[in-house]
Amino acid sequence: AAGVIQSPRHLIKEKRETATLKCYPIPRHDTVYWYQQGPGQDPQFLISFYEKMQSDKGSIPDRFSAQQFSDYHSELNMSSLELGDSALYFCASSFFRTVSYEQYFGPGTRLTVT
Amino acid sequence: AQKITQTQPGMFVQEKEAVTLDCTYDTSDPSYGLFWYKQPSSGEMIFLIYQGSYDQQNATEGRYSLNFQKARKSANLVISASQLGDSAMYFCAMREGETSGSRLTFGEGTQLTVNP
Repeated sequence: AAGVIQSPRHLIKEKRETATLKCYPIPRHDTVYWYQQGPGQDPQFLISFYEKMQSDKGSIPDRFSAQQFSDYHSELNMSSLELGDSALYFCASSFFRTVSYEQYFGPGTRLTVT
Repeated sequence: AQKITQTQPGMFVQEKEAVTLDCTYDTSDPSYGLFWYKQPSSGEMIFLIYQGSYDQQNATEGRYSLNFQKARKSANLVISASQLGDSAMYFCAMREGETSGSRLTFGEGTQLTVNP
């Protein structure tokens, strides 16, 4: 079965640079979510989109922005990167017609800021 | 207050035995969902099982079952017949409300080690 696709899988950036993470949801899924997982921590919710509209917003820094496009893929843009942004970034997707809205996670993008 | 509490940082179990991973939650929303995810050392997050707040029966998925005690606000994961491949971090998570796009809030996780 098709899964959530994230690219790139690994990314190394320097402080103050910008990064763009891409997410392609499972076909027919209309909702995407972004989570950040620091080393040894649980995933922290950043933001979500349903039908290209922002649905929920968590502790996403102002330096970050995200959007969902007409084909339902999503991009997370990160500017003025800081060392503390080094983390595993997950995208997840769900389909609103399910009762549970279970979220299926992609493999993650590991961002290292040096 | 913590919304999801997992009190067992680490658990050990012998292969082929059953193990229970604890999870308690806190919410005032009458409609919520509880989830368990497995995160192996490779890093991916694997959805295991879901329990809705209005579900009358405990959820089961193969060797996984969820012991849902609503009055106690607990949603423990039971893994039967443990396998070496079950060694991983396990996260309990909650979705509050029933809106597409609602966030998951995770507990701190339990590191399960299955011994041969």
